[in-house]
Amino acid sequence: DTAVSQTPKYLVTQMGNDKSIKCEQNLGHDTMYWYKQDSKKFLKIMFSYNNKELIINETVPNRFSPKSPDKAHLNLHINSLELGDSAVYFCASSQGGGRGYTFGSGTRLTVV
Amino acid sequence: GQQLNQSPQSMFIQEGEDVSMNCTSSSIFNTWLWYKQEPGEGPVLLIALYKAGELTSNGRLTAQFGITRKDSFLNISASIPSDVGIYFCAGQLTSGTYKYIFGTGTRLKVLA
Repeated sequence: DTAVSQTPKYLVTQMGNDKSIKCEQNLGHDTMYWYKQDSKKFLKIMFSYNNKELIINETVPNRFSPKSPDKAHLNLHINSLELGDSAVYFCASSQGGGRGYTFGSGTRLTVV
Repeated sequence: GQQLNQSPQSMFIQEGEDVSMNCTSSSIFNTWLWYKQEPGEGPVLLIALYKAGELTSNGRLTAQFGITRKDSFLNISASIPSDVGIYFCAGQLTSGTYKYIFGTGTRLKVLA
């Protein structure tokens, strides 16, 4: 299936831990994104990579670090997790900037 | 940060009714997108609009790019139970950029 796939789907962890979320797309898109959806369902962009180059870096704590080993993969590493990091994180991809994104099914992160 | 206001915030409707929702901003946008999100899934693109005044349909869904370029509208005709979900608008401020700003969402619930 052509898609944007994220792992894991659910992640429960303790405060202070470090965790990673992986994302892969097989759509041949050149740009990938991380979005955060809070408890009120508001979607906010965090990062974007175009052909492995960081092009969008919103006001996000330094504890969040994206890594793109190639244009089909974009991972998100989070250090020293805090309670406020609990949210659903969506990976997305697009070809160019004008035609919207294809989203993954999300990773629900719960920090306890 | 920038935010798009969607109205209504939520709505209950009877099966078979038509639905209207809108998205407004104080800024001018170059592209408008409409997404639907179902529980446990990522948003799925429904309709994309690229020109002021453009009217585009996708089955029972019709969306319009407002003449002022500061708003967009989505109509669903003859609603059915599977229309349940959260509908998001997303706007692109500058053509060719990769960043979309998402609306606050309209939660649609259909009474059978």
